[in-house]
Amino acid sequence: DAKTTQPPSMDCAEGRAANLPCNHSTISGNEYVYWYRQIHSQGPQYIIHGLKNNETNEMASLIITEDRKSSTLILPHATLRDTAVYYCIVRVNTNAGKSTFGDGTTLTVKP
Amino acid sequence: DAGVTQSPTHLIKTRGQHVTLRCSPISGHKSVSWYQQVLGQGPQFIFQYYEKEERGRGNFPDRFSARQFPNYSSELNVNALLLGDSALYLCASSAQGVEKLFFGSGTQLSVL
Repeated sequence: DAKTTQPPSMDCAEGRAANLPCNHSTISGNEYVYWYRQIHSQGPQYIIHGLKNNETNEMASLIITEDRKSSTLILPHATLRDTAVYYCIVRVNTNAGKSTFGDGTTLTVKP
Repeated sequence: DAGVTQSPTHLIKTRGQHVTLRCSPISGHKSVSWYQQVLGQGPQFIFQYYEKEERGRGNFPDRFSARQFPNYSSELNVNALLLGDSALYLCASSAQGVEKLFFGSGTQLSVL
């Protein structure tokens, strides 16, 4: 699986959009970008994933650059409950069980 | 529907002891994976099982072993516990093992 680089921490004001970047410059053509988040003392929670097109669901939007070397997770209206560690993972879609997590980005949403 | 359930939620052991952690996947999910998460770090892959067969093993010593039962539940066993084994142990399930993971809340293991 390709290596990812994320900033260790970010702050966001409540109600504003949170934009979390992830660099994955060594991504291969068949590797997907997955995002999970982990709220304190809970297991990671799936947010969204994509291959090359931008994706949106009820939780977030995923923007992947045209060269696929980086992506941005967007939480459109951050709430205090979005405070968590966010993990960006890059992997092929043949073995989800063996996912490589980095140290993620700690997002703190402030009132 | 119930999510991924893990037991126990907390466990305290002493060095040299053995521990068994249990995981029940979401109904219908055939793949179970185990992860170790040390405080301040992301989860590290330990094992994956699919249809009762080992599909992958992470960089962990032979003291760590696992198995999956016919009902797709799973056990993680750790022998000869070391202080460094203190961590949150997470179980994740997926339907076919190739898509998104659903995690349990984990077992917090403390080795004294």
